[in-house]
Amino acid sequence: GENVEQHPSTLSVQEGDSAVIKCTYSDSASNYFPWYKQELGKRPQLIIDIRSNVGEKKDQRIAVTLNKTAKHFSLHITETQPEDSAVYFCAADTDKLIFGTGTRLQVFP
Amino acid sequence: DAGVIQSPRHEVTEMGQEVTLRCKPISGHNSLFWYRQTMMRGLELLIYFNNNVPIDDSGMPEDRFSAKMPNASFSTLKIQPSEPRDSAVYFCASSKGPGQPQHFGDGTRLSIL
Repeated sequence: GENVEQHPSTLSVQEGDSAVIKCTYSDSASNYFPWYKQELGKRPQLIIDIRSNVGEKKDQRIAVTLNKTAKHFSLHITETQPEDSAVYFCAADTDKLIFGTGTRLQVFP
Repeated sequence: DAGVIQSPRHEVTEMGQEVTLRCKPISGHNSLFWYRQTMMRGLELLIYFNNNVPIDDSGMPEDRFSAKMPNASFSTLKIQPSEPRDSAVYFCASSKGPGQPQHFGDGTRLSIL
């Protein structure tokens, strides 16, 4: 079955810096890759997603890249702000979502 | 759009008791998912339904767990009998179909004493 690995597990950056979170997946049949943000005590919220026929997608300060050959995808957050502090999860979908283990991002003012 | 609605938000009960968690998916969504989240195991898929039919229950930990979806607007996850190790946050999510964005409810924080 699908296996998703996510790195790093924790990430601390200064406000205004960029943050990058990387994920790898194992099942080449996976074709949909969402990213979720989860604030403490709240539900995971979809922030951006990408499908296998696209290499990059951008939405304001966040972007996701996908390399199908290498089976990895990344989340990029530019000009980070304290409110970006949360746990971020990547996921890969064939017939069901398999989540990575999460990255705790802390943005220091 | 009311989003995915879960109840109760919090449940505290003694071990051995039956626990029933409820979920109302977003109207028009044909797929429904039950997840469990713990610090140790992260976010785990327990079971999912397409068009009210259970498709994959391989994540259900044991026979004490059962889930039903009697109609397109309601699903339950039942634990009987409950044990302290079942303590976790249980999320329900729904989507328009396989490979479509999933939207999560606010979760049920379950504590088994």
